[in-house]
This record gives sequence, structure tokens and C-alpha cells, in this order.
Amino acid sequence: DVKVTQSSRYLVKRTGEKVFLECVQDMDHENMFWYRQDPGLGLRLIYFSYDVKMKEKGDIPEGYSVSREKKERFSLILESASTNQTSMYLCASSTLRGGYTFGSGTRLTVV
Amino acid sequence: GEDVEQSLFLSVREGDSSVINCTYTDSSSTYLYWYKQEPGAGLQLLTYIFSNMDMKQDQRLTVLLNKKDKHLSLRIADTQTGDSAIYFCADSFSGGYNKLIFGAGTRLAVHP
Repeated sequence: DVKVTQSSRYLVKRTGEKVFLECVQDMDHENMFWYRQDPGLGLRLIYFSYDVKMKEKGDIPEGYSVSREKKERFSLILESASTNQTSMYLCASSTLRGGYTFGSGTRLTVV
Repeated sequence: GEDVEQSLFLSVREGDSSVINCTYTDSSSTYLYWYKQEPGAGLQLLTYIFSNMDMKQDQRLTVLLNKKDKHLSLRIADTQTGDSAIYFCADSFSGGYNKLIFGAGTRLAVHP
């Protein structure tokens, strides 16, 4: 069964901490994406990557960075977590032109 | 920029049909998608339609596309309690990289 796996379902971090969210896909997909989901706002794209070591900013990249050292792994980094980054984070992958496969999400709370 | 809009809530009685509507702004969309999100889970691809089609049927699901009005709808026949979820419409952004633009999601509540 093909899969996108996010390393944590729930995380609680303190303000100012550096936070790493990990995402791994086993489908050999070229594209990987990080979204955050907030009630009433839907999904907003933070960053995406179309190849190893390549990254593009999405609609809300401020306060975040990403890393893609291997094709199967795409990491989202919160450099200095703040309370307004409390959210559900969703990772997805796709082929060059196909629909997305999503992970189960990481619910991050910053206190 | 490109935008996708949906109403936020829909409540239906079990056994009735549900119709979830979506409007989009990108006139050069290639594919339009419907995703379903159950509580505590990620999004699951339900169905999609290619932009040169008007309708697509898949068991209880019917997708209608009106390109002139940039309107997409998802009809669920014989709605069941297991259909209670958030439904997202998504538009394939024509700017490249297979980016999808998602709507805010419609929460479907099915009651007895």
C-alpha cells in the first residue's frame, strides 16, 4: 500500500524552539508539498519541492524552511516556533502531473 | 491570484442526495479534484475530472463541471453517515509544478 508517512501525529513545543516535521513517501514521487490547515482557511501551501535539493516558496513561507536531501524525504523546519504556528501540518506527494497523496497530518501546538 | 471557493457547511438527511458546490477562477485549469477528509486524518482523493469533460460518474459520486461559469459540483447519492467529513475542491494551478489550489472545505453533516 503506497504511503506518505509523517513522523508524529501530535507535537507540543515551546515558543522559540526549533521544530522539525518529517515526511517520507515510498512512491518515488518527484513532487512533495507542505501545507498547514486551519479552520475556515482550508489548506495553505507553505513550501514545495519538485526535485532533490530544489524548493519553491508557497503562499505562506514566512517563519518556515524546508530540506530535501533525498527524494523520499521532505522536512519542514520551524526556525523559532511561535504560538501562531499552532496548526495541523499536512505533507503530500505527487508525480509530475498526478493527484496528491497525503499523510495523516501532524497537529502541532506551540505553548 | 487564483482562488477556489466553497460554502463551509452542508447538512443533509441520511438517504438524501448531497450536492457540494465549488467555484474557481483559473480559466486554464487542466484537472479539478475532490478530496475527502475524515476526522483526524489526512486528505483522500475521491475523484477528479479533466477540464474537457462535463460530467463524470463513479458509483454514488457524480461530478459536474461548467467551464463557462467556472463551477464544479460533487453530488453524493444516498448519503450515509459514513459520508460525514470535510470535502475539499482543488484546482490544478496552470502556473506549473503540479500545484493545487484548495478551497476552504465544506463540512458535510449527515443526520438520521
